[in-house]
Amino acid sequence: SQKIEQNSEALNIQEGKTATLTCNYTNYSPAYLQWYRQDPGRGPVFLLLIRENEKEKRKERLKVTFDTTLKQSLFHITASQPADSATYLCALDPEGYSSASKIIFGSGTRLSIRP
Amino acid sequence: DGGITQSPKYLFRKEGQNVTLSCEQNLNHDAMYWYRQDPGQGLRLIYYSQIVNDFQKGDIAEGYSVSREKKESFPLTVTSAQKNPTAFYLCASKGDTAVSGANVLTFGAGSRLTVL
Repeated sequence: SQKIEQNSEALNIQEGKTATLTCNYTNYSPAYLQWYRQDPGRGPVFLLLIRENEKEKRKERLKVTFDTTLKQSLFHITASQPADSATYLCALDPEGYSSASKIIFGSGTRLSIRP
Repeated sequence: DGGITQSPKYLFRKEGQNVTLSCEQNLNHDAMYWYRQDPGQGLRLIYYSQIVNDFQKGDIAEGYSVSREKKESFPLTVTSAQKNPTAFYLCASKGDTAVSGANVLTFGAGSRLTVL
C-alpha cells in the first residue's frame, strides 16, 4: 500500500542553524511533492512544490530537493528562527496537473527552534 | 479575500447523532477535499470531489458522506456509523492561487468535533 513517512516526529534545533526534514514514500509515483506548514489549531499553509522532473527548488530561506530514485524529499530551512517553529507536512500528488487527484499526507514533523 | 470558510469551528455531538460540517470556497476552484486529523497525526483523506455532483472516496470514507450540489460548497456529514468521530476536520480546495502560482491545496481553518 502507499505510504509516506516523515522520519522525525519532532526536531529541536538551535536558532541560526539549518533544519533538515525528511519525507520518504513507497508504492507511489507522485507528479508533485509539496510541503506545507501547520500551526497549532489551524489549517496547513502551502510552502513549496517540486515536480517529478525537478531536483531542487528554493524560496527565500527554504529549499526542497526531490530524488525519485531514492523516493525521498528533503526540506531545508536555513538560518532558522523561533518563528519557524511549527509542524511541517509532506504531501504527494499523483496528478498535479489535474484539477482533482488523491493527495495524501505524511504524519508531519514538529519543528522547534530554540533561541 | 478569496478563501475557504469552515463552520462551525467547534462542535459537540452526542453519540448516535449525525452532524454536518460546512465548507464554502470563493476561489472558483473545481476540486474540493475533506481530511481528518487526529492529535499529533498527519492528514487522512476522507472524500474529494472534482466537479459538481461527483465525488470519490478517500482512504477513510466509512461513516462519512458528502454532497457537491454547488461548485462553492462541499459539506461533510459525520454519521452515527463513524466509530471514532472526535477529530479535527479540514476542508481544502485545489487550484492556482496568487501566492502558490501552482495547483496546490488551500485549507480552511478547520472544525473540531468532539463526541460526548
